[in-house]
Amino acid sequence: QVTLRESGPALVKPTQTLTLTCTFSGFSLSTSGMCVSWVRQPPGKALEWLALIDWDDDKYYSTSLKTRLTISKDSSKNQVVLTMTNMDPVDTATYYCARTYGSGLKDYWGQGTLVTVSS
Amino acid sequence: QSALTQPPSASGSPGQSVTISCTGTSSDVGGYNYVSWYQQHPGKAPKLMIYEVSKRPSGVPDRFSGSKSGNTASLTVSGLQAEDESDYYCCSYAGNNNYVFGTGTKVTVL
Repeated sequence: QVTLRESGPALVKPTQTLTLTCTFSGFSLSTSGMCVSWVRQPPGKALEWLALIDWDDDKYYSTSLKTRLTISKDSSKNQVVLTMTNMDPVDTATYYCARTYGSGLKDYWGQGTLVTVSS
Repeated sequence: QSALTQPPSASGSPGQSVTISCTGTSSDVGGYNYVSWYQQHPGKAPKLMIYEVSKRPSGVPDRFSGSKSGNTASLTVSGLQAEDESDYYCCSYAGNNNYVFGTGTKVTVL
């Protein structure tokens, strides 16, 4: 059974760095072709792809956010971590992690974690 | 990378069909057969409905189908049911290891 769960702070202040952890089970990020993505969704708005890390530790970022994002993995702990620097109120959103394959399909998602950026 | 364009809303009566379009460019939708579709009910995580333009994951009813022509992909829901009322998002590979989602479509079952 594949599950993913996001964890991190519910509230961050402007200019702070956000660190989110995706803890997963039911698959191995060491398996060829396996990836994990981060996707966010501001309240009432559309989904936005943020970053992806693959089984070979290759990392890919949204062009518009790449200077602020870092994705990493700890396969032994079945975790993927996303950091986003210089948080702003417009970054208020529900952040999801999802199991992903090379074609971009995301077949299993976490329940999401709402992050509010406010002073 | 600009979001793919979807109509804000679509509707149909139970039993009817509804088709949602997802328009991009030759750099994303038109350039790759890597379009996926997601259903999202309020307050819930997205659910994969279609991948690689027209493939359906196990467990997704065959009422859901996908296609692509040029820079526009489409999701068709046939035999609409009340539980199909939801938001739907397309997503495409956009080259250079980037992905882009659509603007989303709210489907209403009348």
